Amino acid sequence: AQSVTQLDSQVPVFEEAPVELRCNYSSSVSVYLFWYVQYPNQGLQLLLKYLSGSTLVKGINGFEAEFNKSQTSFHLRKPSVHISDTAEYFCAVSEIGASGGSYIPTFGRGTSLIVHP
Amino acid sequence: ETGVTQSPTHLIKTRGQQVTLRCSSQSGHNTVSWYQQALGQGPQFIFQYYREEENGRGNFPPRFSGLQFPNYSSELNVNALELDDSALYLCASSLPGLGYNEQFFGPGTRLTVL
Repeated sequence: AQSVTQLDSQVPVFEEAPVELRCNYSSSVSVYLFWYVQYPNQGLQLLLKYLSGSTLVKGINGFEAEFNKSQTSFHLRKPSVHISDTAEYFCAVSEIGASGGSYIPTFGRGTSLIVHP
Repeated sequence: ETGVTQSPTHLIKTRGQQVTLRCSSQSGHNTVSWYQQALGQGPQFIFQYYREEENGRGNFPPRFSGLQFPNYSSELNVNALELDDSALYLCASSLPGLGYNEQFFGPGTRLTVL
């Protein structure tokens, strides 16, 4: 069975500083990996995904993530954050070929990114 | 193109009651998944419907049930509500098929059980 660990429950950072949100996963098979963002009182929005190919993945709003198979990690980074990036961020994993081909992600508990002026 | 919509936005029920939550999928999407997001937690998969049939279920008791209609909209029903059922319930729609198909999430229904 797959699982996801988000190592930080809360990450405070000043505006225009770089940020890294950490994510580790566990699975016995190959996986798809995802980062989602959730703004207050809203649903989830996909930031980026790793399906195959290049291990460095670029997403929306200037975010990127790097898949490291040996360390089973998929950390999210942004070189310069804005106040508007304040939100909850969820890492998710889905085992390839599981559930008859249906994509059903397992989510981490989330990291609250708090950007201070 | 209309996105995923959910109703109601908020709901307050008492323990032991029953509740029905509704979801309209994005245009052209025939697969709907439901998730429960407790406060301070990530979403947990409840079940998925494809062409009106349940197509996968998470670790939730039978009092959580669902329906999908011919227009691909969906309902989540919860019987005998418990305090721990208080959560944000998210619906997501997608296209079917092998491999990855992006899920598009609705804004959720906030259920409070007193």
